[in-house]
Amino acid sequence: KAGVTQTPRYLIKTRGQQVTLSCSPISGHRSVSWYQQTPGQGLQFLFEYFSETQRNKGNFPGRFSGRQFSNSRSEMNVSTLELGDSALYLCASSLISGPQETQYFGPGTRLLVL
Amino acid sequence: AQSVSQHNHHVILSEAASLELGCNYSYGGTVNLFWYVQYPGQHLQLLLKYFSGDPLVKGIKGFEAEFIKSKFSFNLRKPSVQWSDTAEYFCAVNSGNTPLVFGKGTRLSVIA
Repeated sequence: KAGVTQTPRYLIKTRGQQVTLSCSPISGHRSVSWYQQTPGQGLQFLFEYFSETQRNKGNFPGRFSGRQFSNSRSEMNVSTLELGDSALYLCASSLISGPQETQYFGPGTRLLVL
Repeated sequence: AQSVSQHNHHVILSEAASLELGCNYSYGGTVNLFWYVQYPGQHLQLLLKYFSGDPLVKGIKGFEAEFIKSKFSFNLRKPSVQWSDTAEYFCAVNSGNTPLVFGKGTRLSVIA
C-alpha cells in the first residue's frame, strides 16, 4: 500500500509570496492532518480535515488555510509568507477521524522563506 | 491545554546499553499515547501506541513503553540499543477529539 505523499518536497519562496502544499493520503484514508515542524517550536498542529470538513484547527494565524477534496487529497496554503514560516510541513492521514486512530505521516515539504 | 514534556533533549548511549526516554503529559482524563520515531532523512514513523488495556505496550524494533497513570508518564524503553536506533523520538498525546500534541523530541545518538 502506498504511503502518504507530499508535493513538492522542497520549496524556496520569498517574503510576501504565497505557497500551496499538497498531500495525498493513504488510499481509503479520509482524515488528513497538517503539522509544522521547526527546531524551535517542534511539531505543532495546524489543522485536520475529514470528508472535506475542517474538524480541528491549531493556533496559527489566518494566513494558514487548508482544504480537502472529495478524493481526500488535501492542500494547505500560506499567504504573505514570513521568514518564520520556514519549516518542515508534515501531512498525516488516518482512516477515520478520532482519538484512537493512528496517523501515518508523509515525508514532508521543506519550505524555506528568504 | 494539553502539554507533553520530554525531559531529555539529547541522549548519547553506547551500543548494547539500555534506553529509557521520559515522557510526561499534563491532561488528567482519558488519553491516548504515542511514540513516533524520525530516523535521519526519513519521515515520522509510529513506534507504539496506547489506547487502553495493558499499560505495558510493545512496539516495533524491540521498543516498549509503560503507561503509569498516577505519574502521567509514558516512558519509552529498549533493553539494548543498536547504532541503527540513532534517531529523534517524539512522544505525543491526544484525548477525545483533540489533535495530537507532541513533545519537543529527544535526539538519541548511539555510538559504537
